[in-house]
Amino acid sequence: AQKVTQAQTEISVVEKEDVTLDCVYETRDTTYYLFWYKQPPSGELVFLIRRNSFDEQNEISGRYSWNFQKSTSSFNFTITASQVVDSAVYFCALSEYNNNDMRFGAGTRLTVKP
Amino acid sequence: GAGVSQSPSNKVTEKGKDVELRCDPISGHTALYWYRQSLGQGLEFLIYFQGNSAPDKSGLPSDRFSAERTGGSVSTLTIQRTQQEDSAVYLCASSLTGGAREQYFGPGTRLTVT
Repeated sequence: AQKVTQAQTEISVVEKEDVTLDCVYETRDTTYYLFWYKQPPSGELVFLIRRNSFDEQNEISGRYSWNFQKSTSSFNFTITASQVVDSAVYFCALSEYNNNDMRFGAGTRLTVKP
Repeated sequence: GAGVSQSPSNKVTEKGKDVELRCDPISGHTALYWYRQSLGQGLEFLIYFQGNSAPDKSGLPSDRFSAERTGGSVSTLTIQRTQQEDSAVYLCASSLTGGAREQYFGPGTRLTVT
């Protein structure tokens, strides 16, 4: 069965600090996809990234970077030089290739203080 | 282009009444998903539609919940004889195809059962 664990319920940082959001997943499939979504206070989930299980290259997009490690079943998300606008709930999600059920973690609430 | 739209944005209903929630996916997206997000929780998968295939109803919590998708576009989620535990935000998402593609979410319908 697929499962996603986001152990950090809430994180609070001061603007310009770097912050890493942890995501650990469980799956028996060899083909799967991992996602991160952002849910700002307005409520609408915003897609950030999708990675497949065969691509372990780290990815960087501006201040955002993702570290995918199959050896530890982790897909961590780092925000560099955090800003107040980064305040949101961040969800990690897993989708097995032949499974329609995208499984979300419980989310990490990030608060960036000025 | 237009994103996923949902209506109504808020719905307050009395226990025992039926409600209908509507989702209009992104034009051209063949896959459509319904999720439920209870206060402070992650997302719970409810149902998945892909093209003309039979829907995946494996996430529906009880037979009071049903959904349909007409003409491969608009979808309606119906909850019969609502209960207080049905109070949540109901989110709709669409993706270009199925098979673990990234999903784009609507703003949700906040349902309150009194």
